[in-house]
Amino acid sequence: AQKITQTQPGMFVQEKEAVTLDCTYDTSDPSYGLFWYKQPSSGEMIFLIYQGSYDQQNATEGRYSLNFQKARKSANLVISASQLGDSAMYFCAMRVTNTGNQFYFGTGTSLTVIP
Amino acid sequence: DTGVSQNPRHKITKRGQNVTFRCDPISEHNRLYWYRQTLGQGPEFLTYFQNEAQLEKSRLLSDRFSAERPKGSFSTLEIQRTEQGDSAMYLCASSLGGTGVREQYFGPGTRLTVT
Repeated sequence: AQKITQTQPGMFVQEKEAVTLDCTYDTSDPSYGLFWYKQPSSGEMIFLIYQGSYDQQNATEGRYSLNFQKARKSANLVISASQLGDSAMYFCAMRVTNTGNQFYFGTGTSLTVIP
Repeated sequence: DTGVSQNPRHKITKRGQNVTFRCDPISEHNRLYWYRQTLGQGPEFLTYFQNEAQLEKSRLLSDRFSAERPKGSFSTLEIQRTEQGDSAMYLCASSLGGTGVREQYFGPGTRLTVT
């Protein structure tokens, strides 16, 4: 079975500091993709970053980077230089290539950036 | 490209009534997904279309739920005989087709409240 686990219900970070949001996943399939989405209070899910299971390097997108540790089955999101606008819910998701097209989401982490 | 749009944004209905939601995906995306999100949880997959074909359905999609995507463009999700447990945010997402893992782009959601 496919599963995504986010163990941090809430996190606080000082503005301009870096923060790491944890995500672990479980799948026996070798081909999968890992995603992070941001959900502000408005409700819309915003795609942030993607990591493929065969990618050799960790993904980076601006201030977002994904710390992919395949052996540990973890895909932590690192946000550098936090901004007040980063305050939101963050969801880790996985899609397993050979078991259909649905995304499996974690329960999310609520990030609050403190000025 | 205006992104994924959903209508209505909010719907309040009485138990037992039928409701229908609409999703307009990004125009060049041939894959369309419906998710349900309850408070404090990540989105849960409901169903998936590739063009007009409904290829996957979750066990969450009881016989009171039906989804269509005529002509492979917009999609509708209908809930018949609504129950209070149906109260949730209903999210639509779309993505490009083809091989490989593709990120999904989400609409703003329709928040359903069943009284």
